[in-house]
Amino acid sequence: AQSVTQPDIHITVSEGASLELRCNYSYGATPYLFWYVQSPGQGLQLLLKYFSGDTLVQGIKGFEAEFKRSQSSFNLRKPSVHWSDAAEYFCAVGVDFGNEKLTFGTGTRLTIIP
Amino acid sequence: NAGVTQTPKFQVLKTGQSMTLQCAQDMNHNSMYWYRQDPGMGLRLIYYSASEGTTDKGEVPNGYNVSRLNKREFSLRLESAAPSQTSVYFCASSPNSPLHFGNGTRLTVT
Repeated sequence: AQSVTQPDIHITVSEGASLELRCNYSYGATPYLFWYVQSPGQGLQLLLKYFSGDTLVQGIKGFEAEFKRSQSSFNLRKPSVHWSDAAEYFCAVGVDFGNEKLTFGTGTRLTIIP
Repeated sequence: NAGVTQTPKFQVLKTGQSMTLQCAQDMNHNSMYWYRQDPGMGLRLIYYSASEGTTDKGEVPNGYNVSRLNKREFSLRLESAAPSQTSVYFCASSPNSPLHFGNGTRLTVT
C-alpha cells in the first residue's frame, strides 16, 4: 500500500522569504502526486498535481513542485511567500488515475511572520 | 455555482445517537467521497462512490454507512455515534481528477 510522509508538522517563514515543504511517498510504481492547501475552516483546494511528463510542475498562487523519483519526493516550493499563504498544506498520492482514493500526508502548517 | 455543499456545518451528538451528514454537488461529477480529518492524521477515506448506485469502503469504514441517492447526492450515516467519531468530515467529488472538496462538517460526540 502507498504512504505519504510530511516530516515537518509546522514551519514558520518570514514574508518574502522562500519556502520549501517536504513530501516523501512510498509506492512501487510511479504514483500520481498532489498538493492541496487548506485555509482555516475551509475545505482543501488543489495547488498542483503530477501525473507524468515534466517533473517540475507549476500550480496556482505561484507554487511549484518537483517530482524526484530517485528520492521518492515531491517537494513544494515558492520563491517568495505572502501573508495570505498561511495555511495547512497536504501532500497526497494516488495510484489509480480517475479514482481519487488518495492517501494524504499528515499536513504541514505554515505560519508567516511579518 | 455552489460546487460541493455539505450540511450541517456543525453538530453535537450524544453517544449512541444517530445522524446523517448530507453532501450534494452540482458539477455533474461521477465520483464522490467521504473523508474524515483528525489532528495529526491528515485525511482518511471512509467511503467512496465511483458512480450512481455504487459504493465501496475506504480506509476507515467501521461505524459508518453511505447512500448514493443519485448522481448529485452522497450521504454519510452514523447509526450509533461514538466519541471516536469526533472529527471534521469532508465530502468531495471528482470528474476523474482532481478532488473538489466541500467546507466540512465539524462533528463532536460527547
